[in-house]
Amino acid sequence: EDKVVQSPLSLVVHEGDTVTLNCSYEVTNFRSLLWYKQEKKAPTFLFMLTSSGIEKKSGRLSSILDKKELFSILNITATQTGDSAIYLCADQGAQKLVFGQGTRLTINP
Amino acid sequence: KAGVTQTPRYLIKTRGQQVTLSCSPISGHRSVSWYQQTPGQGLQFLFEYFSETQRNKGNFPGRFSGRQFSNSRSEMNVSTLELGDSALYLCASSEGNGVGPQHFGDGTRLSIL
Repeated sequence: EDKVVQSPLSLVVHEGDTVTLNCSYEVTNFRSLLWYKQEKKAPTFLFMLTSSGIEKKSGRLSSILDKKELFSILNITATQTGDSAIYLCADQGAQKLVFGQGTRLTINP
Repeated sequence: KAGVTQTPRYLIKTRGQQVTLSCSPISGHRSVSWYQQTPGQGLQFLFEYFSETQRNKGNFPGRFSGRQFSNSRSEMNVSTLELGDSALYLCASSEGNGVGPQHFGDGTRLSIL
């Protein structure tokens, strides 16, 4: 059965810190790995990674995939209180997403 | 472009009743997927529809069913509601070819009394 594991499950940092969120996966038919940010409602799409070693970047957020070691990381630099959320990674396999448990990130001012 | 729209936003039902949730995908998206989110189990896949056909189904009992219409709008039905069905039900749409990401609606919060 496909499995996605995120770590840490919870993280509390101060504004301005840099954080790294981890996602490992064991899937039978890997196609792509996705990162989402969930605040109070809908998970909002951040990145989609299909190729190993190529960094995707959007402002202070970046993500990279390692297909050999089966993991991905999400980096957030110069964190702000608005970055507080649950960050979800998911494997997009055969017409479905398999999600990890999520990392609850809290940014204290 | 309008996002994924789910109705209703909130619903309160009692055990044994049935419920129908609705999802309108992003214009041009032909795939609609449904997920259940609970504090204990996280986000779990229910089923996916593409061009009115169910292509994939998760490990949920037969009380959970869905359908998709020719305009790609989808409905999800849960019959004989149980207390454990209380959850946030999320709908996501995509082009359906596996190339682009799924985009989520704000969900329907279902509470069973």
